Amino acid sequence: GAGVSQSPRYKVAKRGQDVALRCDPISGHVSLFWYQQALGQGPEFLTYFQNEAQLDKSGLPSDRFFAERPEGSVSTLKIQRTQQEDSAVYLCASSLDSADTQYFGPGTRLTVL
Amino acid sequence: SQQGEEDPQALSIQEGENATMNCSYKTSINNLQWYRQNSGRGLVHLILIRSNEREKHSGRLRVTLDTSKKSSSLLITASRAADTASYFCATDGNSGYSTLTFGKGTMLLVSP
Repeated sequence: GAGVSQSPRYKVAKRGQDVALRCDPISGHVSLFWYQQALGQGPEFLTYFQNEAQLDKSGLPSDRFFAERPEGSVSTLKIQRTQQEDSAVYLCASSLDSADTQYFGPGTRLTVL
Repeated sequence: SQQGEEDPQALSIQEGENATMNCSYKTSINNLQWYRQNSGRGLVHLILIRSNEREKHSGRLRVTLDTSKKSSSLLITASRAADTASYFCATDGNSGYSTLTFGKGTMLLVSP
């Protein structure tokens, strides 16, 4: 079946612009995670949803970052007033339940100029 | 912050050789997982080892876990050029859900 998909795959934004990154999890997966991966680093946790509930947003680096999953399926990560340090690959992962294996999407590479 | 530390940071071998990567972590875990990431692609789950397991095999992969030393190793036997990728270990904490904490990864280059 289809895996986790993310769009866009690449996004170039001018500093100060708002961006929205989309994640389509595997159908039926309850848990959804967002991670940020800087160049040459491993992914770092941003936020976690169980269905539509955002249970953990402790990894969001600032209040410019906002994530939602209103119907418990598709999720959007929004970054307001982007800064150069926001440049990274944003990965989405879903799992059947909270403690199951996470399946990752291909990521969105965000470049802020 | 990243919990895991993989070593070496980079590893270059010839096809057919074995590759061993190590991972150390800091806090108690339920599971430890290894992922592979090819250039420009997402993370692919390779293997999960639970905290009460010491060794696990999957095809050409062998993972060990030593919870007393808070370390794990990934062995890839009879490597192939297609194994060229970055390899990450990831641990989950003791929360009720599996937020993964990744290391910085080992970049493996397998030359034909």
